[in-house]
Amino acid sequence: GAVVSQHPSRVICKSGTSVKIECRSLDFQATTMFWYRQFPKKSLMLMATSNEGSKATYEQGVEKDKFLINHASLTLSTLTVTSAHPEDSSFYICSVSGRGTYTQYFGPGTRLTVL
Amino acid sequence: SQQGEEDPQALSIQEGENATMNCSYKTSINNLQWYRQNSGRGLVHLILIRSNEREKHSGRLRVTLDTSKKSSSLLITASRAADTASYFCATDAEAAGNKLTFGGGTRVLVKP
Repeated sequence: GAVVSQHPSRVICKSGTSVKIECRSLDFQATTMFWYRQFPKKSLMLMATSNEGSKATYEQGVEKDKFLINHASLTLSTLTVTSAHPEDSSFYICSVSGRGTYTQYFGPGTRLTVL
Repeated sequence: SQQGEEDPQALSIQEGENATMNCSYKTSINNLQWYRQNSGRGLVHLILIRSNEREKHSGRLRVTLDTSKKSSSLLITASRAADTASYFCATDAEAAGNKLTFGGGTRVLVKP
């Protein structure tokens, strides 16, 4: 399977600041990247789907101006949490998928804590 | 929306025992997958079963799929302490493209 990295693995920021999380597919041409949010002991909630070179498709209830997603290449997607607030504290996980496949390969996740 | 529901929510067993967990879903699917997540980490793909398949094996894992009941089961045989993790089922459907819908997960604790 694909090797996916996320950076940073942990970030603590002050309320009102913006935080950028990178997701890199190290050995796989990721035509689609997904961003999920996970609360403690809960399942994954899909935030958005991003295809390389096009705008991300956000799930219902996810604010696109709050969670900016850029999928600049087949190996890199970024999620920027703008004007973060304590309620944005969560575990953010990205995954990648290739053309014609339904299997997703996940990054290790980023723990965001907003003070 | 999360259409997969898993049961039990938590399972505690002794090393060497088998662990069985179930997943139910509501709409027609193309495929059903099982993933494992160690605490604080990303998910690892375990196995994919297509809607026209009934059973699949991979090492100590056995997955069944009953599309008439819209349910799947994951069996881990001869469990090890290293199998301690959360296990999630995920489905994909024609109408949803290649998006996955995850179940609530089963937290498995294997005691040495």
